[in-house]
Amino acid sequence: GAGVSQSPRYKVAKRGQDVALRCDPISGHVSLFWYQQALGQGPEFLTYFQNEAQLDKSGLPSDRFFAERPEGSVSTLKIQRTQQEDSAVYLCASSAGTANEKLFFGSGTQLSVL
Amino acid sequence: LAKTTQPISMDSYEGQEVNITCSHNNIATNDYITWYQQFPSQGPRFIIQGYKTKVTNEVASLFIPADRKSSTLSLPRVSLSDTAVYYCLVGDAPDTGNQFYFGTGTSLTVIP
Repeated sequence: GAGVSQSPRYKVAKRGQDVALRCDPISGHVSLFWYQQALGQGPEFLTYFQNEAQLDKSGLPSDRFFAERPEGSVSTLKIQRTQQEDSAVYLCASSAGTANEKLFFGSGTQLSVL
Repeated sequence: LAKTTQPISMDSYEGQEVNITCSHNNIATNDYITWYQQFPSQGPRFIIQGYKTKVTNEVASLFIPADRKSSTLSLPRVSLSDTAVYYCLVGDAPDTGNQFYFGTGTSLTVIP
């Protein structure tokens, strides 16, 4: 596609529910990133993939957060047993290479946990 | 982890040049400096990237002194549509763990 696509655009979950957020990166992009952005804050790094390999997951806040990119293209961020503090915008970005590359961001998924 | 510090907010009148300075005292030798712009309800958008001295593109200039401990984003003749949050990042190779980390950014408001 022309850009990074994320779905759903909005997600409302009850506390304790599991959610899955999808990211379609730009075709052919090697690197894929997930960020979490709370209201009024800058994006916080969650995890990084190079193709299908998850090379850095140091930003995942708890073991309830899990990300995958099994075929090196589409990625899914899964949050189990959602908590109110998980409410945020989840941003996905991709880049063509692996270093010093321009990141292309999607519009994000706004998650609200009630 | 290279930390960046920026002013929280700035105001400017339309047509003026705006300079936003970012401090990154712990920048590593291989780190590049990148600036992004973010509008409400959108993901950040790349503006400019540099390593040292001066870089210019069609929307902005980036000035980096020799010690690289700071950088200045310069926006010429801003318009109302430049009202946004601007982020300064340092990093180089996410595949080695040297990620690009966002700070809190600078909220720029352009006044008519």
